[in-house]
Amino acid sequence: NAGVTQTPKFQVLKTGQSMTLQCAQDMNHNSMYWYRQDPGMGLRLIYYSASEGTTDKGEVPNGYNVSRLNKREFSLRLESAAPSQTSVYFCASSQPDNEQFFGPGTRLTVL
Amino acid sequence: GQQLNQSPQSMFIQEGEDVSMNCTSSSIFNTWLWYKQDPGEGPVLLIALYKAGELTSNGRLTAQFGITRKDSFLNISASIPSDVGIYFCAGQLTGNQFYFGTGTSLTVIP
Repeated sequence: NAGVTQTPKFQVLKTGQSMTLQCAQDMNHNSMYWYRQDPGMGLRLIYYSASEGTTDKGEVPNGYNVSRLNKREFSLRLESAAPSQTSVYFCASSQPDNEQFFGPGTRLTVL
Repeated sequence: GQQLNQSPQSMFIQEGEDVSMNCTSSSIFNTWLWYKQDPGEGPVLLIALYKAGELTSNGRLTAQFGITRKDSFLNISASIPSDVGIYFCAGQLTGNQFYFGTGTSLTVIP
């Protein structure tokens, strides 16, 4: 069991570039999440998917889009990256009403 | 969004000492979770609490779900160098609604 995997591990973008962060889980979880982590601010929810085929906005969704490709995979897309999106991005998965399991993170820098 | 107040923000302790940290909220949560994050890694679940008043242990770690359902604490006994990291509390309202504290950074001095 790999748990939750994320790619890439590191990324540097220029302002205005686009990219997609990939996430996959092998625990057969229904729910998947994308968070960003900034210094002193803890984890903030960007988007989540309660089940395959559904997505919902979290606390900080502006500038992001997501796709729940299938039960295993949940991707996060930045269409036009901005310096304010420099952060560490974590994907997580869970069964409803159960604890979340996190991936190792993607460290994104936008210049 | 919901605010979870986690304290202290940072702790510097001697190896062998006990550690205590807590999390409070203005909202009632159904579940409290405690995670540890090592540098460069994702948070790893330490303890999950599901009922008000519940006291749960995991090795040297003990956590409690407050009676009011608005708070939780985590104790670490006899700290060791590998306890170093950032500890996060998280509260779950229902289903997919999780809210995280800002973290407690723990440094253990050998």
